[in-house]
Amino acid sequence: AQSVSQHNHHVILSEAASLELGCNYSYGGTVNLFWYVQYPGQHLQLLLKYFSGDPLVKGIKGFEAEFIKSKFSFNLRKPSVQWSDTAEYFCAVNYGQGAQKLVFGQGTRLTINP
Amino acid sequence: EAGVAQSPRYKIIEKRQSVAFWCNPISGHATLYWYQQILGQGPKLLIQFQNNGVVDDSQLPKDRFSAERLKGVDSTLKIQPAKLEDSAVYLCASSLTDSLTFGPGTRLTVL
Repeated sequence: AQSVSQHNHHVILSEAASLELGCNYSYGGTVNLFWYVQYPGQHLQLLLKYFSGDPLVKGIKGFEAEFIKSKFSFNLRKPSVQWSDTAEYFCAVNYGQGAQKLVFGQGTRLTINP
Repeated sequence: EAGVAQSPRYKIIEKRQSVAFWCNPISGHATLYWYQQILGQGPKLLIQFQNNGVVDDSQLPKDRFSAERLKGVDSTLKIQPAKLEDSAVYLCASSLTDSLTFGPGTRLTVL
């Protein structure tokens, strides 16, 4: 079955630390990859997406992600986190082409201590 | 642009009761989705509409859940009868092309 794994359930960092959240997916064909973020009390919002081209994609608020096809991974990174990055982060994969049908990982809760 | 609207935002019911959720997608978005997000898990797709037709309802528990999207705009999701395990946030999303926009969700508690 198609699945998405996020290995870190809860990550706690101090401000200015570097961040990397892992995401792996279970399919070898064509995929579109996404990271969504949910700030406390807010909607799920798109952080960044990868469809094709440069495997290093940049999103909002200084986040970036790298698609490594050989590892079926799409890890999220940020060089220096801020307290306002405290949120839940979801990796999602659209398997195949055409209409979007996302499979989500279980999410990683990120807590940034000031 | 206005976002995806959902109502109610919160609902508490007892098991075996029925409940309905409403979603109004972004104007012009042909594709509408209902996701279920149980606490501590990622959202799980229940049903996907393209205009007013169902594209995928393979994970919808059809013995108790139903959804419709009349006229290809608004949508309702119904649960009848509800079970304790239906306690979750029900998210509606819509898309035009390549990414989904989510609504605020309806938090359902089944007692």
